[in-house]
Amino acid sequence: GAVVSQHPSWVICKSGTSVKIECRSLDFQATTMFWYRQFPKQSLMLMATSNEGSKATYEQGVEKDKFLINHASLTLSTLTVTSAHPEDSSFYICSARDQAGGYNQPQHFGDGTRLSIL
Amino acid sequence: QKEVEQNSGPLSVPEGAIASLNCTYSDRGSQSFFWYRQYSGKSPELIMFIYSNGDKEDGRFTAQLNKASQYVSLLIRDSQPSDSATYLCAVLTDSWGKLQFGSGTQVVVTP
Repeated sequence: GAVVSQHPSWVICKSGTSVKIECRSLDFQATTMFWYRQFPKQSLMLMATSNEGSKATYEQGVEKDKFLINHASLTLSTLTVTSAHPEDSSFYICSARDQAGGYNQPQHFGDGTRLSIL
Repeated sequence: QKEVEQNSGPLSVPEGAIASLNCTYSDRGSQSFFWYRQYSGKSPELIMFIYSNGDKEDGRFTAQLNKASQYVSLLIRDSQPSDSATYLCAVLTDSWGKLQFGSGTQVVVTP
């Protein structure tokens, strides 16, 4: 149980392109999903918390107009990197929590999306 | 600023030995703790969670929690080369499920 699917796994595109990444909870409903970014040999960095039906909460220093997050259903959240540039190249990972079972539920991670901007 | 601290390692462990990983946290009110394993180039995967003081065992893994001393640890028994990875300690920080992660401890199991 608690499977999170993230698509695509790899994206290579030209500078200036917008890229959409999908995160789906396959066997549970997720009121809250999270988006992280990780540069090589560095720690996970939380970008934003995505709540179903409401605006995402962005961490300090993350540009909300650059990284658009939509959480339209209990099983799907999307991250769109708008007008991507080479410095946006990174490993983007989503996670989701099963809303059943209460406060202590862990986050379950998708497989991540490796984004390369040329 | 809530902090979660881990020794970055690498922690070198002979195959078959016990790997011991430690994590300390700053928020005395923290209630829920998680251990994730992350292989190089992959996303984190949940190994264990622990909420109550004491030990919790799952297969070769044992999590230990001491809220009074504000530390949580992970023991890996009979370490295997496939256990070579970075282990992330995480502390639940709010009701939405936001986690504060440590920087991770790299474990290298040598045959």
